[in-house]
Amino acid sequence: DAGVTQSPTHLIKTRGQQVTLRCSPKSGHDTVSWYQQALGQGPQFIFQYYEEEERQRGNFPDRFSGHQFPNYSSELNVNALLLGDSALYLCASSLDMAGGGYGYTFGSGTRLTVV
Amino acid sequence: QQQVKQSPQSLIVQKGGISIINCAYENTAFDYFPWYQQFPGKGPALLIAIRPDVSEKKEGRFTISFNKSAKQFSLHIMDSQPGDSATYFCAAANSGGYQKVTFGTGTKLQVIP
Repeated sequence: DAGVTQSPTHLIKTRGQQVTLRCSPKSGHDTVSWYQQALGQGPQFIFQYYEEEERQRGNFPDRFSGHQFPNYSSELNVNALLLGDSALYLCASSLDMAGGGYGYTFGSGTRLTVV
Repeated sequence: QQQVKQSPQSLIVQKGGISIINCAYENTAFDYFPWYQQFPGKGPALLIAIRPDVSEKKEGRFTISFNKSAKQFSLHIMDSQPGDSATYFCAAANSGGYQKVTFGTGTKLQVIP
């Protein structure tokens, strides 16, 4: 089953450091969205990548940046980590379709802990 | 800005009972309302979804009821089973919004034998 693969699964970083999270989308999907899920909360939209461009962005500071590669895989980068960045980071892939395709497939996430 | 409000925060139901989770939205541009199920250590998985042109959608033991005028929708889980114990998120999206999905805060459901 070629689902969404995220790496690493867990990560501990020190405040002020930088981190890169990776996502391989489900086979056949071309769009990658990133979400932040704080403990006990619903996922919050960070941004979405399509055709290697950031297409839409949520209410997150510029410390959060990303990239999409020609093979549709994606990276999420967070600079100058804060304690409040500790969360589960979820990658969701989908197939872009006119009028909005809603076939989100989520990965299991990367648990980031900032100490 | 909480655009999708969800209640209750937690729910305990006896096996065989009906679990009901309610959501309300503010943005009238939303035209797609999915529900996600999340188990510990996993990402959310799409459970069932509805568009506002219908008032109810049923898939197996799961039913979504939708009230467009009240801007409310709910998930009913019939004959709840211990395996249904998970966190449920309602969500909303705008078909013109490049698939950005806005999630509720979640309901932790526990089904006891």
